[in-house]
Amino acid sequence: ILNVEQSPQSLHVQEGDSTNFTCSFPSSNFYALHWYRWETAKSPEALFVMTLNGDEKKKGRISATLNTKEGYSYLYIKGSQPEDSATYLCAFITNAGKSTFGDGTTLTVKP
Amino acid sequence: DGGITQSPKYLFRKEGQNVTLSCEQNLNHDAMYWYRQDPGQGLRLIYYSQIVNDFQKGDIAEGYSVSREKKESFPLTVTSAQKNPTAFYLCASSIDPLGTQYFGPGTRLLVL
Repeated sequence: ILNVEQSPQSLHVQEGDSTNFTCSFPSSNFYALHWYRWETAKSPEALFVMTLNGDEKKKGRISATLNTKEGYSYLYIKGSQPEDSATYLCAFITNAGKSTFGDGTTLTVKP
Repeated sequence: DGGITQSPKYLFRKEGQNVTLSCEQNLNHDAMYWYRQDPGQGLRLIYYSQIVNDFQKGDIAEGYSVSREKKESFPLTVTSAQKNPTAFYLCASSIDPLGTQYFGPGTRLLVL
C-alpha cells in the first residue's frame, strides 16, 4: 500500500488568515497528484490535477504547487473565508491508474 | 443532468448476508472506482475498473466483489466474508484512468 500523508490533520484559523497544507507521496511511479475539497454532506469535488514537476495551479484564492522529485505538494488558501471550511484531500495517481488518497486536512475557518 | 448516482443512501446488512451497492454514471466515463471511508480516515480504494469487462483490486478488496458488464454501471457486493462492513462507501468515475474523479453521494452501510 502506497503511503500518502497529509499534514496537519486539522487546522483552525480566523477569517482572513492565509494557510497551507502539505501532501507527501512516493517519488516513484508518479503520474498525477489530485487535490479535492470535501464539504460536509456533499461529495468530494476536484480542485486541481497536477502532473509536471514544478507545476503551479491557481483557482481564485486557492493555489497549489508540486514537487515530484522530493514527493510533496502544497495547497495554499489566501485570506480564508468561512465557506472554505472543508476537508481537503490529495490523491496520488500511479502510471497504472491506481489512486491512493491521504487522510485529509480538515480546515475550520472562524468568522 | 449528467452525473453519478448511488443507491441506496442507507443499507442495513444482517450477519452472513451479501448486499449489493449500486453505482451508475451517465458521464460516458471509462473508469470507475469504489472507496470506503471509516471515521477519521481518508478514502481507501476497494476496486477500480479502467474499461468495461475489466477491473483490478485496490488496497482493501478482501470481502468485496465487483462487476463491470456495462460502461455506466459498477455495482459493489459486500460479501459475508467482509467482517467489518460498517462504513461509508463512495463510488467515483473519471473520463480515463488518470483524470479527475467525480463522486457520487455515497451509501452508508450498517450491520444489524
